[in-house]
Amino acid sequence: GQQVMQIPQYQHVQEGEDFTTYCNSSTTLSNIQWYKQRPGGHPVFLIQLVKSGEVKKQKRLTFQFGEAKKNSSLHITATQTTDVGTYFCLTYSGAGSYQLTFGKGTKLSVIP
Amino acid sequence: ETGVTQTPRHLVMGMTNKKSLKCEQHLGHNAMYWYKQSAKKPLELMFVYSLEERVENNSVPSRFSPECPNSSHLFLHLHTLQPEDSALYLCASSQVRLAGGYNYEQYFGPGTRLTVT
Repeated sequence: GQQVMQIPQYQHVQEGEDFTTYCNSSTTLSNIQWYKQRPGGHPVFLIQLVKSGEVKKQKRLTFQFGEAKKNSSLHITATQTTDVGTYFCLTYSGAGSYQLTFGKGTKLSVIP
Repeated sequence: ETGVTQTPRHLVMGMTNKKSLKCEQHLGHNAMYWYKQSAKKPLELMFVYSLEERVENNSVPSRFSPECPNSSHLFLHLHTLQPEDSALYLCASSQVRLAGGYNYEQYFGPGTRLTVT
């Protein structure tokens, strides 16, 4: 079955530092989604990547999909305390498939 | 955000009890999902309903029984649960994927925190 490894599991950064989380799959992905879950909250959709090598930006967040469509990253520039939470990737094994797998998540703490 | 609601928000039940979790979405979506979120484990997909038909059932024990009476409502019926079933149960909804197309983003409810004693 499809396996997704997300690293790191935890990241503590000083406010203003950058942060990156990675998702790596053992198989080629059709697409990948990223979600954020604030402490005590529920996952909230951030972005979807579909194309090989795709890069998307949302203000201080940059999302990348690898050329081989087996890995993806989320990078936050100059973290703020509002970035605190757990970031998950969600992968799909086939276009339009409901065979989906969530990464374990990266829990981000920002020290003011 | 109140697009997806879940009740109850907290539930404590004994192993011999029968209870049901309810999810309702007000977004006009046609796919609904049940997830289990345990500490230190990734979100686990339990069931998917697309156009009110179950399309995914990830080897979930029969003590969990889903029901989708219409595209806006989803239930999870619980009976004779085990303490290891204690977790946050999340419901989500999305648009139904186009044939051969990509999955749409999911909208999650606030979850039901379940404790089995």
